[in-house]
Amino acid sequence: DQQVKQNSPSLSVQEGRISILNCDYTNSMFDYFLWYKKYPAEGPTFLISISSIKDKNEDGRFTVFLNKSAKHLSLHIVPSQPGDSAVYFCAASDNTDKLIFGTGTRLQVFP
Amino acid sequence: KAGVTQTPRYLIKTRGQQVTLSCSPISGHRSVSWYQQTPGQGLQFLFEYFSETQRNKGNFPGRFSGRQFSNSRSEMNVSTLELGDSALYLCASSLGKGSYTEAFFGQGTRLTVV
Repeated sequence: DQQVKQNSPSLSVQEGRISILNCDYTNSMFDYFLWYKKYPAEGPTFLISISSIKDKNEDGRFTVFLNKSAKHLSLHIVPSQPGDSAVYFCAASDNTDKLIFGTGTRLQVFP
Repeated sequence: KAGVTQTPRYLIKTRGQQVTLSCSPISGHRSVSWYQQTPGQGLQFLFEYFSETQRNKGNFPGRFSGRQFSNSRSEMNVSTLELGDSALYLCASSLGKGSYTEAFFGQGTRLTVV
């Protein structure tokens, strides 16, 4: 039972454009959401997070949006850069140190 | 400050053997979690240790076990290895406070079972 879903296994975007990565969850007990970025042969790196009491959090080029009623969150990267090419994982937590991850979306930013 | 350190980086084992993986968390972090990453499955939570006690557990068979030492270092053990155990095993550390804080990951141990 996949509680956190990333339905797009891959995404290709031109440099300078917006990248939008989507994530859906099923467990209404989740109250904290995170995005991690992973390069090959490295561990995931924390990118940005959002608490369930907010609907938007912004950090530089990265913005996460949360729609609690739809149980949906998205990560916007503007403008996209070639160095953003990586696998992006969405994760959720129910106020514990246990993270439930999605299966990841491979983003490729081309010139 | 030093990040999360996992050893070894790569490991090849034979079916039926057992393996022990090690994780040293960031200094001051008391929570250590373990995850298994396989193609198409994302990262799956194995267990979490805090102050030498297992605090959370995922849905893995009893062949997967772990422990945490008083210095917060953690080990993960897999007994009677199966081919399907081949994966990247990731360790993450965090402060482990009541409300969730971000976890920092190590580079992982790539286990291949032949």
